[in-house]
Amino acid sequence: GAVVSQHPSWVICKSGTSVKIECRSLDFQATTMFWYRQFPKQSLMLMATSNEGSKATYEQGVEKDKFLINHASLTLSTLTVTSAHPEDSSFYICSAFAVRETGAYEQYFGPGTRLTVT
Amino acid sequence: ELKVEQNPLFLSMQEGKNYTIYCNYSTTSDRLYWYRQDPGKSLESLFVLLSNGAVKQEGRLMASLDTKARLSTLHITAAVHDLSATYFCAVDIYGNNRLAFGKGNQVVVIP
Repeated sequence: GAVVSQHPSWVICKSGTSVKIECRSLDFQATTMFWYRQFPKQSLMLMATSNEGSKATYEQGVEKDKFLINHASLTLSTLTVTSAHPEDSSFYICSAFAVRETGAYEQYFGPGTRLTVT
Repeated sequence: ELKVEQNPLFLSMQEGKNYTIYCNYSTTSDRLYWYRQDPGKSLESLFVLLSNGAVKQEGRLMASLDTKARLSTLHITAAVHDLSATYFCAVDIYGNNRLAFGKGNQVVVIP
């Protein structure tokens, strides 16, 4: 089935620095990917839609200048957390849609990246 | 206001017994997803329900969708320890495959 990978799986950074998280679709092309964040023991919140070759679309309340998204190719989207602060510490998960062998259109999630800002 | 509500948020299950967890959503949608998440892990897709009356089963789990009632259920038959996890439902409420998630049903199966 479709596989989505993320790198790194875990990162610690100091407050004020920037961190880049990569999301790759390994065996399919994804013109659209999605970025979510999840706080401990809470639900997933959609942050933005990453569109290949165009600007990302951000959900209401998400700062586009703080969370920079670049969808450089059909298999790679990156999320850069700029000037990170402790409140940005979270679990970031990307996803992409693909068509299964059955023909069903389904969303596949990456393994997630745990960001800790000290 | 767009809402996806799951209940109960926490459920302790006895092995061998049957249970049902619920997902209600507030606006029209014809696509509902169920996912499983283990602690510290990402989401594993369980079911995609695409139409009113859809029912899907995999092992001890069975999901159904009633779009008129805006309700989906996830039924667990003869619970086993391996089913301990948090179960999320998500609905394509916003459109363009942008999903709204519920808060999750945390399930613990005890002997």
